[in-house]
Amino acid sequence: NAGVTQTPKFQVLKTGQSMTLQCAQDMNHNSMYWYRQDPGMGLRLIYYSASEGTTDKGEVPNGYNVSRLNKREFSLRLESAAPSQTSVYFCASSEQGAFGNTIYFGEGSWLTVV
Amino acid sequence: GENVEQHPSTLSVQEGDSAVIKCTYSDSASNYFPWYKQELGKGPQLIIDIRSNVGEKKDQRIAVTLNKTAKHFSLHITETQPEDSAVYFCAASKRASKIIFGSGTRLSIRP
Repeated sequence: NAGVTQTPKFQVLKTGQSMTLQCAQDMNHNSMYWYRQDPGMGLRLIYYSASEGTTDKGEVPNGYNVSRLNKREFSLRLESAAPSQTSVYFCASSEQGAFGNTIYFGEGSWLTVV
Repeated sequence: GENVEQHPSTLSVQEGDSAVIKCTYSDSASNYFPWYKQELGKGPQLIIDIRSNVGEKKDQRIAVTLNKTAKHFSLHITETQPEDSAVYFCAASKRASKIIFGSGTRLSIRP
């Protein structure tokens, strides 16, 4: 029972490099999310996709782009990485929106930008 | 927009004692309040949630209370055990809106 799977788990990037974080869920959920977690800041929403074919900005979208490739997959791209993007990134999904529904998180991707 | 404040940021309790984590929210229209537990190296997992039509909900050693008038809600863990050591997040949301998380509480259980 995989749930939410995200790759890679660890990545070191140089400033200015680009990369894509991949995420897939096998629970047939409609909504998917990307969060970043920083010490003392909790979980902040970067982008979300309420349903296949739609994406919307969250609290901290600058410097990121997303693609909802299909119902299962939701990727996060850093076009030109900056040290401020050093963080732990979590992909998540829920059946339909966050209200009243359990959000299932992946195990996280540790990204360091040097 | 909605803001959720969580206190304390760190909490250390003796095994067997109780732990209480408190959150306040700013949007009076919020009516769904989940709590998530994050163990080391893992993603957060839902442990309990409460809706605004109830004041308290219990699940074994875990309980959540809600005071809508004061706009605050709390997580209570009784008879704490070593496996309760984790980071706990509160959150608030309303229908057709994004969920907002608190900043987290690192709970340590002393043997």
